[in-house]
Amino acid sequence: EPEVTQTPSHQVTQMGQEVILRCVPISNHLYFYWYRQILGQKVEFLVSFYNNEISEKSEIFDDQFSVERPDGSNFTLKIRSTKLEDSAMYFCASNPGRAVRLAKNIQYFGAGTRLSVL
Amino acid sequence: DQQVKQNSPSLSVQEGRISILNCDYTNSMFDYFLWYKKYPAEGPTFLISISSIKDKNEDGRFTVFLNKSAKHLSLHIVPSQPGDSAVYFCAAIYNFNKFYFGSGTKLNVKP
Repeated sequence: EPEVTQTPSHQVTQMGQEVILRCVPISNHLYFYWYRQILGQKVEFLVSFYNNEISEKSEIFDDQFSVERPDGSNFTLKIRSTKLEDSAMYFCASNPGRAVRLAKNIQYFGAGTRLSVL
Repeated sequence: DQQVKQNSPSLSVQEGRISILNCDYTNSMFDYFLWYKKYPAEGPTFLISISSIKDKNEDGRFTVFLNKSAKHLSLHIVPSQPGDSAVYFCAAIYNFNKFYFGSGTKLNVKP
């Protein structure tokens, strides 16, 4: 069964460094998302991406964050200058985005990348 | 901004009994609701969903109930199995693009 894959599974970085989290969404899906979950807290929406542009973003997704779909398969989240509070589990998700009424609302999640900022 | 709330952080149920997980929301514009299950070290996995025009959706052992007047939904698992032990998140959508997740309820099904 197709799945969303994320690499690396664990990323350790120093405060102030740039990190890029990588995701390969399910092939032929049209919508892509990033979420984060700080330890012990709820899953929080960061950004959605469609047709090569951001379609929605949350208050968390400030100028330190950016997303890109550099080729036909990868979807990346970049944090320019990491802060301690960026330490979290980051989940990528994708969605078929078609007119199948049920399927279009289901997001398929990757296993996540744990980001540890020291 | 807690538009979706799960007030019970944990629930413990005996195998074979019913598990009832609850979720409340504040935004009447939500038009779709979903339940996700999450095991440790894995991403959330879609479980079951319900449109706002319905009040019940059933899939095997899982049933989701929606009470729009109370802005409340619940997930019933019957009979509960030890493999159901996981964290369950409810999520709500409007405008298709933005998901709001609850904080999760950790379900423990005891053998």
